[in-house]
Amino acid sequence: DTEVTQTPKHLVMGMTNKKSLKCEQHMGHRAMYWYKQKAKKPPELMFVYSYEKLSINESVPSRFSPECPNSSLLNLHLHALQPEDSALYLCASSLSRSWNTEAFFGQGTRLTVV
Amino acid sequence: AQSVTQLDSQVPVFEEAPVELRCNYSSSVSVYLFWYVQYPNQGLQLLLKYLSGSTLVKGINGFEAEFNKSQTSFHLRKPSVHISDTAEYFCAVSDKAAGNKLTFGGGTRVLVKP
Repeated sequence: DTEVTQTPKHLVMGMTNKKSLKCEQHMGHRAMYWYKQKAKKPPELMFVYSYEKLSINESVPSRFSPECPNSSLLNLHLHALQPEDSALYLCASSLSRSWNTEAFFGQGTRLTVV
Repeated sequence: AQSVTQLDSQVPVFEEAPVELRCNYSSSVSVYLFWYVQYPNQGLQLLLKYLSGSTLVKGINGFEAEFNKSQTSFHLRKPSVHISDTAEYFCAVSDKAAGNKLTFGGGTRVLVKP
């Protein structure tokens, strides 16, 4: 299994809603990532987890809250988002955080904030 | 700090013609280089990667790239494109100084015309 699975594929939420994005991999990878991608732009790193511990937070607003319950799962909890947070949210995983391991990406969750 | 420049934001090309996508990077240490493809409304898929060894790297779907250390380039080529190659292509770099933080170029949109 070489897949990173993200659910849901599409999500529309109001600015007062609370929702969660989910990401799962069964490749035994110990590093997992959240990226945000706006239209016609490259992905931007948000968070990095290594061995289930948060190792990088790229100064992301607190309305985004990541969680890594175990080595296979990564969640992104969303609360009080703004319309400008609408984007494609990509999850990725790699064998480790070492610089020379490749990242595998999921298909993304297309988030629309209304 | 590492950075990646993709010199062409859009490349129109006719079906069965060759294509070259240019990528230049800046980094002071050993680097790990990638090309990813993103089809419309999809996540990123790895086309090929370079860590060491042969400077000519072959990837999936008939793509290849050549690492040129003196010119700090990693250009992607395909000798004959198909309509299905219409997509966004991202060059990315990872180096020791940045852990496994991928730095992406701005992307090149390839539009294959019949």
